[in-house]
Order: sequence, then C-alpha cells, then structure tokens
Amino acid sequence: DTAVSQTPKYLVTQMGNDKSIKCEQNLGHDTMYWYKQDSKKFLKIMFSYNNKELIINETVPNRFSPKSPDKAHLNLHINSLELGDSAVYFCASSQVEGRAFFGQGTRLTVV
Amino acid sequence: GQQLNQSPQSMFIQEGEDVSMNCTSSSIFNTWLWYKQDPGEGPVLLIALYKAGELTSNGRLTAQFGITRKDSFLNISASIPSDVGIYFCAGRAGGSNYKLTFGKGTLLTVNP
Repeated sequence: DTAVSQTPKYLVTQMGNDKSIKCEQNLGHDTMYWYKQDSKKFLKIMFSYNNKELIINETVPNRFSPKSPDKAHLNLHINSLELGDSAVYFCASSQVEGRAFFGQGTRLTVV
Repeated sequence: GQQLNQSPQSMFIQEGEDVSMNCTSSSIFNTWLWYKQDPGEGPVLLIALYKAGELTSNGRLTAQFGITRKDSFLNISASIPSDVGIYFCAGRAGGSNYKLTFGKGTLLTVNP
C-alpha cells in the first residue's frame, strides 16, 4: 500500500483556471506538508498542518489554499492559475521527530 | 531564515568509486535527514540523524551529524549505476518547529 498518495500525478491546465490536488497518508502521522519543487529541483515548503491545524504558512500567494479535513488528508486548491505556478508539488507527512515521507508528486503545467 | 548550503552541486563518477557530499547550515539543527530522488518520483528517505556526532549507516551509505550541529555529510561507497539521482540534505531546528529546510541537491551521475 502506498504510504503517501497524491492525485493527480499530472495536471495540465490553462491560465486562470482553478484546480485542486489531493493527498492522503496511511502512516498515522499527525503532520502533513505541501512542498513545491521548481525547475531547478529546489524543494521549498509551502504549508504544514498538524492535527488539522495550520502550523506553517510560508510566503505563498493567497491563491493557494490548503485544506485538511482530517489528519490523514491534506488538499491544495489553487485559484486563478498562472504560468509561474508550473512546478512539481509534493505532499509529505511526518511524526514529531521530523522524518518526512513524500508522495510521488503532482506535475502541474499551466499553459 | 535558515539556509542550507549543499555541495557539490553535481558529481560525475565511475562505477565503483566512493563519493561524498555535505551540507552546512547557518543555524543549528536538531535533525538531519538525507533523501534521494529518482526522476519522476518523490524524495525517498535514506538516513535520519538525531544527535550531534551520530554516525549512521544504511548499506553502502554512511551519514554523520556534525558535532557543531551545523553540518552533515553523506558518503556512498563502491557506487553502482542505480545510485544515480539527486541527493538532498534536509534539516529541522527541533522543538515545535516542524519545518524541514532542504539543500539544493547534489546530482550524482555514475558511469558504468
């Protein structure tokens, strides 16, 4: 069974559209994250939730809105997509000690 | 904010060679993690380090948590073609800070 699974794996959409990426973890972890990986492979944290509470909110445009319905799920909704939003978005989860486990990523392409 | 300097940016080696990469931080970390990312996949955790001075192995991989708590290195011995990928270090300050800060990665290429 996949520990951290995110859907879709690929997402191609036009500028201005709204899209969502879903993430689920079956590891029983309390903390979940969204990371963005740019074309240079740099991984930058966007958000983190601990037990459904937002604990990390980096400098991210407010077009990006995370939502955690329960501690096993963390979704990312993006409004009014822009060309610069094209990247790979990774979901991850961890327990307190910080060993984060990543999903396979969602490659978002905005055209 | 916290910054991690990871070096080298890329390495091009022959199969069988040993390789070393390292990360340095501008601030203290309580946890150091090393990940490998294959093309089209998410980062996979290789080694986790929790104590200053700790030396941990995972097969041909060995990593150490620097005694200053501001650095860590990863060694790969007797490299094989499937070691190809991007290796990332990541650090966490600890306490209630859940944030993992990543280095910019080391791209490893292994010539058979």
